[in-house]
Amino acid sequence: AQSVAQPEDQVNVAEGNPLTVKCTYSVSGNPYLFWYVQYPNRGLQFLLKYITGDNLVKGSYGFEAEFNKSQTSFHLKKPSALVSDSALYFCAVRDGHSGYSTLTFGKGTMLLVSP
Amino acid sequence: EAGVAQSPRYKIIEKRQSVAFWCNPISGHATLYWYQQILGQGPKLLIQFQNNGVVDDSQLPKDRFSAERLKGVDSTLKIQPAKLEDSAVYLCASSSGQVGELFFGEGSRLTVL
Repeated sequence: AQSVAQPEDQVNVAEGNPLTVKCTYSVSGNPYLFWYVQYPNRGLQFLLKYITGDNLVKGSYGFEAEFNKSQTSFHLKKPSALVSDSALYFCAVRDGHSGYSTLTFGKGTMLLVSP
Repeated sequence: EAGVAQSPRYKIIEKRQSVAFWCNPISGHATLYWYQQILGQGPKLLIQFQNNGVVDDSQLPKDRFSAERLKGVDSTLKIQPAKLEDSAVYLCASSSGQVGELFFGEGSRLTVL
């Protein structure tokens, strides 16, 4: 069975500093990896995805993520955090080998950016 | 492009009552998903449709939950009878293919008293 681990319930960072939100995954086939963001009382919004190719993926709002196959990780990063980045972030994985594999989410990490 | 539409946004019912949620996916998206998000947890897949057919409903509590997708477009998720632990946000999402990202609706928040 596939799974995602987000080891931190909350990440605190000061505005202007770099941020990292951690994610590790487990899947039997090739991983398709995704990051989503959720603002209060809203649905999930897509940030970025890794399917194949360059290990460094760039996405919306200046976010990027690095795929590391040996460490089975897909950490979300941003060089300079904004207060408006404060939200709940979800990592998700699906099995690229399976025809209609489901997308499995982690439990989420709350990012708090202080002014 | 219109997004995924869901209704109602909020619903409060008493236990043992029934409730239904409606979802209209993005036009042309063949795959439709219903997720349950309990407070403090990540979304959990309840059911996945590919056009009219069910691809995965392994985590759907079939004794009380049911879902259908009419003509491969709109979908309805029903809970009958509801339990206290069904209090959650029910998220509908759609996608155009296997590698594509999911597009989520705003969700329907259910409170069971």
